[in-house]
Amino acid sequence: SQTIHQWPATLVQPVGSPLSLECTVEGTSNPNLYWYRQAAGRGLQLLFYSVGIGQISSEVPQNLSASRPQDRQFILSSKKLLLSDSGFYLCAWSRGYNQPQHFGDGTRLSIL
Amino acid sequence: DAKTTQPPSMDCAEGRAANLPCNHSTISGNEYVYWYRQIHSQGPQYIIHGLKNNETNEMASLIITEDRKSSTLILPHATLRDTAVYYCIVRAQFFGNEKLTFGTGTRLTIIP
Repeated sequence: SQTIHQWPATLVQPVGSPLSLECTVEGTSNPNLYWYRQAAGRGLQLLFYSVGIGQISSEVPQNLSASRPQDRQFILSSKKLLLSDSGFYLCAWSRGYNQPQHFGDGTRLSIL
Repeated sequence: DAKTTQPPSMDCAEGRAANLPCNHSTISGNEYVYWYRQIHSQGPQYIIHGLKNNETNEMASLIITEDRKSSTLILPHATLRDTAVYYCIVRAQFFGNEKLTFGTGTRLTIIP
């Protein structure tokens, strides 16, 4: 069966510090991968998605970037965090564009 | 993607069937109905999806009306672990439409 791992579960970072969140998927190959942010009272916001290694689509302009160095690894990064980057970050995978997306347990990021 | 309307909250007795309604009166022919749920502080969990036929899996059943303007998610024997926010989503499936948009959902509370 397929599993998705995200870490860390919680993170507290100062403004201006860098960020690296990692997501890996097991039990499948060539998945579509996604990064979402869920802010309180605002629902889900798709940040990036990837259909293959090195292929990243950005949904909204922002202070974040994503990379996919390996087939089942998706990384969310920032060089300098802003207060507005606080939120619940979720990684998800699917078998393809017509398939359901399956989420990890998320990283709760607080910026001080 | 079409808009959905769900009741903000519902209660259900443990062991009984939980029936969660969703209205999607503006749904178009290529849009699927998806259901996810989110337990507090966890990532969303995919439950089921369908186009026009009723669907059943190990978690739930999805009943879609003939005109496809509404649907009902049925949890046949609710347990306390089914307490969560349930999201009904209508989503067109075509290449490049990767975004999942959650509304406010229904907060289902299972009563012991």
